[in-house]
Amino acid sequence: KAGVTQTPRYLIKTRGQQVTLSCSPISGHRSVSWYQQTPGQGLQFLFEYFSETQRNKGNFPGRFSGRQFSNSRSEMNVSTLELGDSALYLCASSWTSGSSYEQYFGPGTRLTVT
Amino acid sequence: GESVGLHLPTLSVQEGDNSIINCAYSNSASDYFIWYKQESGKGPQFIIDIRSNMDKRQGQRVTVLLNKTVKHLSLQIAATQPGDSAVYFCAENPLQGAQKLVFGQGTRLTINP
Repeated sequence: KAGVTQTPRYLIKTRGQQVTLSCSPISGHRSVSWYQQTPGQGLQFLFEYFSETQRNKGNFPGRFSGRQFSNSRSEMNVSTLELGDSALYLCASSWTSGSSYEQYFGPGTRLTVT
Repeated sequence: GESVGLHLPTLSVQEGDNSIINCAYSNSASDYFIWYKQESGKGPQFIIDIRSNMDKRQGQRVTVLLNKTVKHLSLQIAATQPGDSAVYFCAENPLQGAQKLVFGQGTRLTINP
C-alpha cells in the first residue's frame, strides 16, 4: 500500500507570494492533518480535515488555510509569505478522525522563503 | 500551555546496547501517545503507540512505558543497531475525538559502533 505522498518536495518562494502544497493520504484514510516543523518551534499542528471539513485548527494566523477534496486529498495554502514561514510542512493521514488512531506522515515539503 | 517535553536532547549508546528515551507530558486528559522516529530528510515514522488505559506495550525491539501518575512516557529500544540513529519524538493527543498531536522537542539518538 502506498504511503502518504506530498508534492512538491521542495519549494522556493519570495516574501509576499503565496504557495499551495498538496497531500495524498494513504488509500482508505479519510483524515488528513498538517504540521509545520522548524528547528526553533519543533513540530506544530496546523489543522485537520475529515470528510472535507476542517475539524481542528492550531494557533496559526489566517494566512494558513487548507481544504480537503472528496477523494480525501488535501491542500494547504499560505498567503503573503513571510521569512518565518520557511519550514518543513508535513502531512499525516489517519483512517478516521479521533484521538486514538495512529497518524502516518509523508516526507514533507521543504518551503524556503527568501 | 500544552507541551510535551523530553529530558535529554541527545543520547549516545553503543551498538547492541539498550537505549531508553524519556518524555514528560503536561496534559492529564491526554488519552493517546505515540513515538515517532525521524531520519534526516524524511517525515516522522510511526514506531509504537499506547493508550491511556495501558501502562506498557511491546513491539519489535521496542517497548513503551506510560506512567500516568507522574505523566511520564519512555521508549526502550533493545539491542540498538546503526539504523536506529535518528531523532525520536513523543507525541500526545490531548483533544478527545480529534487528531491534534502535540509533539515533544525530540531526542537525537546516536549509535556508536
